[in-house]
Amino acid sequence: NAGVTQTPKFQVLKTGQSMTLQCAQDMNHNSMYWYRQDPGMGLRLIYYSASEGTTDKGEVPNGYNVSRLNKREFSLRLESAAPSQTSVYFCASSLAGGQYFGPGTRLTVT
Amino acid sequence: GQQVMQIPQYQHVQEGEDFTTYCNSSTTLSNIQWYKQRPGGHPVFLIQLVKSGEVKKQKRLTFQFGEAKKNSSLHITATQTTDVGTYFCAGNTGFQKLVFGTGTRLLVSP
Repeated sequence: NAGVTQTPKFQVLKTGQSMTLQCAQDMNHNSMYWYRQDPGMGLRLIYYSASEGTTDKGEVPNGYNVSRLNKREFSLRLESAAPSQTSVYFCASSLAGGQYFGPGTRLTVT
Repeated sequence: GQQVMQIPQYQHVQEGEDFTTYCNSSTTLSNIQWYKQRPGGHPVFLIQLVKSGEVKKQKRLTFQFGEAKKNSSLHITATQTTDVGTYFCAGNTGFQKLVFGTGTRLLVSP
């Protein structure tokens, strides 16, 4: 089992460009999450999906959109990247209880 | 909104010394989870506490959940260099959305 996988690992964007971060899990988990982690800020929830076909906003959803493509995949889209979106992005999944995180995507917006 | 505060922000200990991090929530929690993140890595789920006053042990790690279900602590006995990392608590109000504390970064010198 690969667990939670994320692509890409690193990305540099120019302001205004768009991109999609991909996440997939092979643990048959119902719930999936997208977080961002900034220095000294801990992890902040962007969006989550409690089950296939549903998505909901987290603490910091502005500037992002998500798609729960199927039970395995949950993608995060930046339509027009801004320097404030420079961060490390983590995807996670859970069944009940603890969340299992992917290795992260380090995104820089110049 | 809900806030989860964690102290201290940083602690540097000598190998063999004990270490404790404390977590306080502004609201009553349905459960609390603890995660460890190694430098450059992703958060790894350690444990979930659900019951008021619950105490759980994992080898040298002891986790407590307060009677009012608004605070928690993680104590490491006789730290080792492998304990280095940032420890996060995450509070769950029962709607599947975790609110992470800002973390305590632990450095252990041999």
